[in-house]
Amino acid sequence: AQSVAQPEDQVNVAEGNPLTVKCTYSVSGNPYLFWYVQYPNRGLQFLLKYITGDNLVKGSYGFEAEFNKSQTSFHLKKPSALVSDSALYFCAVRPRGSGNTGKLIFGQGTTLQVKP
Amino acid sequence: KAGVTQTPRYLIKTRGQQVTLSCSPISGHRSVSWYQQTPGQGLQFLFEYFSETQRNKGNFPGRFSGRQFSNSRSEMNVSTLELGDSALYLCASRGGTSGGQETQYFGPGTRLLVL
Repeated sequence: AQSVAQPEDQVNVAEGNPLTVKCTYSVSGNPYLFWYVQYPNRGLQFLLKYITGDNLVKGSYGFEAEFNKSQTSFHLKKPSALVSDSALYFCAVRPRGSGNTGKLIFGQGTTLQVKP
Repeated sequence: KAGVTQTPRYLIKTRGQQVTLSCSPISGHRSVSWYQQTPGQGLQFLFEYFSETQRNKGNFPGRFSGRQFSNSRSEMNVSTLELGDSALYLCASRGGTSGGQETQYFGPGTRLLVL
């Protein structure tokens, strides 16, 4: 079965320190990979995606993600965390192929807590 | 450009009733997908519509249905509501002429409470 795993329910980091939110996936082929962020009582906000090319993808608000094909991972990173980055982060995968159009498979989410 | 809008934002219904949720995609987007978000099951794909046709469907019972209109606006309907249908229902649109067609942009969601 196709799945996405975010192994940490919560990540705690001090403001100014680097952060990493982990994501691994079990999807055949070369899926599209995404990160979204959700603030309380809000929808999902797109951060970045990997389609093809360079393994390091840069996105919004200083976030970046590193794709590792051999480890089937797509970890979200930021060099210097801000308190305002505190939110719920979702990794999502879209399998390639016409039968999978529009279907995102999500991880369970990781709560990022950045402390001043 | 305006984002994805969903109405209503909050809804309270009782078991056995039916409900219709509405989603207006980003202008120019022709694909609309729906997701259910619950604390227990997380985010789950319901279905996708493109050019008024359902193109993909998740693993939900037939009580969950949807449609898309010629202006790309979409509605989803849940009949015979159950307590377990209480959730945040998210709509996402995709498409456009400037690239990035793989990215889904989400609306704020409709929070449904079934009593």
